[in-house]
Amino acid sequence: EAQVTQNPRYLITVTGKKLTVTCSQNMNHEYMSWYRQDPGLGLRQIYYSMNVEVTDKGDVPEGYKVSRKEKRNFPLILESPSPNQTSLYFCASSPRSGGSTDTQYFGPGTRLTVL
Amino acid sequence: SQKIEQNSEALNIQEGKTATLTCNYTNYSPAYLQWYRQDPGRGPVFLLLIRENEKEKRKERLKVTFDTTLKQSLFHITASQPADSATYLCALAETSYGKLTFGQGTILTVHP
Repeated sequence: EAQVTQNPRYLITVTGKKLTVTCSQNMNHEYMSWYRQDPGLGLRQIYYSMNVEVTDKGDVPEGYKVSRKEKRNFPLILESPSPNQTSLYFCASSPRSGGSTDTQYFGPGTRLTVL
Repeated sequence: SQKIEQNSEALNIQEGKTATLTCNYTNYSPAYLQWYRQDPGRGPVFLLLIRENEKEKRKERLKVTFDTTLKQSLFHITASQPADSATYLCALAETSYGKLTFGQGTILTVHP
């Protein structure tokens, strides 16, 4: 089944403890992106990648890192999480490099709580 | 500053009526505008994309218009059904590559 998977789906952690949220897609898509969703603020783009080894900042990149070493995987790294990073996170992928011109396929979401 | 605003946070309509959702933007020059549906606890699902040189796009009961003069997109669901109840998000991009910016969404409830 064509899909975007995220792990973990739920995570409770403490301030300062490094964590990684994995994202994988099996559709051979070029473009991948991370978003966070907060009440009243909507979906905000954190980072995106138009291709392997090519990443760029979205609107809210502070406190996050990403890497794109393989086409199918796009992990989101929080080196030192803080409570203001408590949010619902979505990974998305799109067939071509120009993700803004294509259907974006979203993962199921990861609910992160930082205490 | 740049802003995307979707009409009232919540919209309630009666089954069978046409639902009209708006997406207004300021200080953007979008080349592409997309609409998504999101159900509680799930990721958004793509519905329609419209380009700046297109005035209107249709897909089954859905219709999107894009007016770059008014800086507005309208999203219509005709013959609405309770199953159409969800949050609807607009998203715009100024270029072909990379950055996509979402509005905060409108919660649509269709009453039987």
